[in-house]
Amino acid sequence: GENVEQHPSTLSVQEGDSAVIKCTYSDSASNYFPWYKQELGKRPQLIIDIRSNVGEKKDQRIAVTLNKTAKHFSLHITETQPEDSAVYFCAASLGGSYIPTFGRGTSLIVHP
Amino acid sequence: NAGVTQTPKFQVLKTGQSMTLQCAQDMNHNSMYWYRQDPGMGLRLIYYSASEGTTDKGEVPNGYNVSRLNKREFSLRLESAAPSQTSVYFCASSLTGSDTEAFFGQGTRLTVV
Repeated sequence: GENVEQHPSTLSVQEGDSAVIKCTYSDSASNYFPWYKQELGKRPQLIIDIRSNVGEKKDQRIAVTLNKTAKHFSLHITETQPEDSAVYFCAASLGGSYIPTFGRGTSLIVHP
Repeated sequence: NAGVTQTPKFQVLKTGQSMTLQCAQDMNHNSMYWYRQDPGMGLRLIYYSASEGTTDKGEVPNGYNVSRLNKREFSLRLESAAPSQTSVYFCASSLTGSDTEAFFGQGTRLTVV
């Protein structure tokens, strides 16, 4: 089955800095890569996703890049703000009836 | 539009007791899932239902059973609770398969003493 590794497990930055979270996956057939944000005590919510036919996708201060050859994808957050503090999960999916596999999460702490 | 609703929000059980976690979605989604979340372990899939009438085991199914009651509802049952089942449980749903956004319920914090 699919295996997703996520790094780092904890990331501490100063407000205004950029943050990068990286995930690697094992199955080259995976074609859908969502990122979820989970604030403390809340449910995970999708913040951005990318499909295998796209190399990069941006939405305001967040972007995701995908390198299919190396089988890794990354979440980039620019100009971090305290409200970006949360746990971020990546996932990889083969699509169809295959269930997405989640990484173990990255706790992002943005210091004011 | 409520999205995904799961009950209860908190529960304390004694070892050996049973309980059912309820989940309902009003988005006409085909697929539903149950995850457990433990510190440092991410979201681990317990069971899923790709469509009404089907259920399949996920990564950590032992000690759990599920029922896809209809298209809207997917329940998770603990027959004989154990302290190792202390966790936060999330129900989720998605429109079709695994390549569309998953919507999560608000979570159930379960403690087994």
